Amino acid sequence: DAEITQSPRHKITETGRQVTLACHQTWNHNNMFWYRQDLGHGLRLIHYSYGVQDTNKGEVSDGYSVSRSNTEDLPLTLESAASSQTSVYFCASRDSLNTEAFFGQGTRLTVV
Amino acid sequence: AQKITQTQPGMFVQEKEAVTLDCTYDTSDPSYGLFWYKQPSSGEMIFLIYQGSYDQQNATEGRYSLNFQKARKSANLVISASQLGDSAMYFCAMREAGYNTDKLIFGTGTRLQVFP
Repeated sequence: DAEITQSPRHKITETGRQVTLACHQTWNHNNMFWYRQDLGHGLRLIHYSYGVQDTNKGEVSDGYSVSRSNTEDLPLTLESAASSQTSVYFCASRDSLNTEAFFGQGTRLTVV
Repeated sequence: AQKITQTQPGMFVQEKEAVTLDCTYDTSDPSYGLFWYKQPSSGEMIFLIYQGSYDQQNATEGRYSLNFQKARKSANLVISASQLGDSAMYFCAMREAGYNTDKLIFGTGTRLQVFP
């Protein structure tokens, strides 16, 4: 079955380190998204992509970057991790012709 | 800018009763989509129901129905015959529409607790 997977599921890192969270989907969806979930804020959009070589900033993009070199993957990089980036991160994908977005299991990132 | 508001941080309901979770939205675009997702304690995001802005009838999916009132810009989720397994966080979301635009924005969520 097609799916969307995130790795790692849990990560502890130190302030200032570069961290990359992986997202891989096998639906061949063009549209992929990264969200962070924080108490009281719901899910906030970090970056999104509509296809290979396309990336766009969401509402909370500072300190994050993404790249889209193929359809299946949208890795999220924290250039220099900060304690404010401690959060649960969700990747999602969506076929531009369908309605719902499918979410990965989430990655819990702790920056100490 | 588009915005989703969920004003109920938490709700309680007795098993087998119906419950309504509120969601209001703000957009100037005539074409949009509204979604509800469930997030149980295990953390995954589960799609429940979708309503398009041009849909004439309210969406229904099993025990879930969406009370869509376009003039009021509300899209409340109604869960009938609540079950203990319905205890979870519920998020309302809106898809921005437009040429080459496809992103979901979310409300802050409502935590529903179903008690026996």
